[in-house]
Amino acid sequence: AQKVTQAQTEISVVEKEDVTLDCVYETRDTTYYLFWYKQPPSGELVFLIRRNSFDEQNEISGRYSWNFQKSTSSFNFTITASQVVDSAVYFCALSEREETSGSRLTFGEGTQLTVNP
Amino acid sequence: DAGITQSPRHKVTETGTPVTLRCHQTENHRYMYWYRQDPGHGLRLIHYSYGVKDTDKGEVSDGYSVSRSKTEDFLLTLESATSSQTSVYFCAISERERSAFFGQGTRLTVV
Repeated sequence: AQKVTQAQTEISVVEKEDVTLDCVYETRDTTYYLFWYKQPPSGELVFLIRRNSFDEQNEISGRYSWNFQKSTSSFNFTITASQVVDSAVYFCALSEREETSGSRLTFGEGTQLTVNP
Repeated sequence: DAGITQSPRHKVTETGTPVTLRCHQTENHRYMYWYRQDPGHGLRLIHYSYGVKDTDKGEVSDGYSVSRSKTEDFLLTLESATSSQTSVYFCAISERERSAFFGQGTRLTVV
């Protein structure tokens, strides 16, 4: 069975600080996909990134960066120079490659990030 | 934004009554999903569909049924609502293992 663990339940930082959200996963498959979603206070789920298990290159998108390490089964998310608008719950998720399951996701419990002015 | 509409957005119902939530998409995606979100559990998969009339159970399917008679519609039914089914329900769509996009959510309260 697959599992995603986000050990940090809540993180509080001051604006402009860098913050890293941890994600550790378990899966028996060699082909799988990892995702991050953001849930702002308004409640919708916003897709941030998708990586496949064959691509371990780190990715940067503006102030966001992701560090994927298969050796430690981790897919961590860093926000550089955090802003108040980054305050949200962030979810890490995993899907395995099965023909009939599509993007059936297993989510972590989420990390509540609060960025204070 | 992906064309996903959930209805209703909010509902209060009494224990023991049947409830149906609707998810409608305009993207013609093959896969559709129902998740529930509860504090301390993140989101958990209830049921999903991989085509018209093709559905399967997820992690927390007890007490729920689904139907998909058209590509664009995926219905979630609580046959006899219980207080433990008070939750926020999200519908999602995807093409194969590509990124799933979520609806706005339905807040259901069972009293």
